[in-house]
Amino acid sequence: DAKTTQPPSMDCAEGRAANLPCNHSTISGNEYVYWYRQIHSQGPQYIIHGLKNNETNEMASLIITEDRKSSTLILPHATLRDTAVYYCIVRVRLYGRGNTPLVFGKGTRLSVIA
Amino acid sequence: GAGVSQTPSNKVTEKGKYVELRCDPISGHTALYWYRQSLGQGPEFLIYFQGTGAADDSGLPNDRFFAVRPEGSVSTLKIQRTERGDSAVYLCASSPSGLAGDNEQFFGPGTRLTVL
Repeated sequence: DAKTTQPPSMDCAEGRAANLPCNHSTISGNEYVYWYRQIHSQGPQYIIHGLKNNETNEMASLIITEDRKSSTLILPHATLRDTAVYYCIVRVRLYGRGNTPLVFGKGTRLSVIA
Repeated sequence: GAGVSQTPSNKVTEKGKYVELRCDPISGHTALYWYRQSLGQGPEFLIYFQGTGAADDSGLPNDRFFAVRPEGSVSTLKIQRTERGDSAVYLCASSPSGLAGDNEQFFGPGTRLTVL
């Protein structure tokens, strides 16, 4: 089962920042927070991931609370093309022992409105 | 470069038939994953290959499902005696060598399987 809780849907006005929350209160010390999104009829797309520090890349920023029990994905200037389902995923990192699969919940359906 | 490709994009079959779904990962990616996604749900893990071997097949729902990756690149997901409940989008993903443990997964567009 997914270890995260997300609101089922959110709206955001085009050009505004979209702030997508995620609760992961049972996260362990060796677990990372990942965000993927899935645009209609496409496969999921990686956005960003982090352990405890805030992260930023060309797509988004990830803010993780100090106790690591929740995080927020920020799309600074949402466009219509950002309309998608956004998945917050907690994933253990096995150093030197390979990857682990992603465990998806139902995600948040973000609608960017013109 | 080329991304993950999956064929066919759509497959319609009858209950009880056998189907094969193909995944071509990104060249050089040693890790390959299969997921399936039912309507309104997030993707659900099925099986993970590291090279030619299945490192984790705990997500396969029953023994009608089987996957192979004989040369460590292309993978085929095989479903025997299909049931209507197998109808879903089957997604494949690949990632580089898994030793760092946090590699991004690159997903294909999926194969939509419909069992009548």
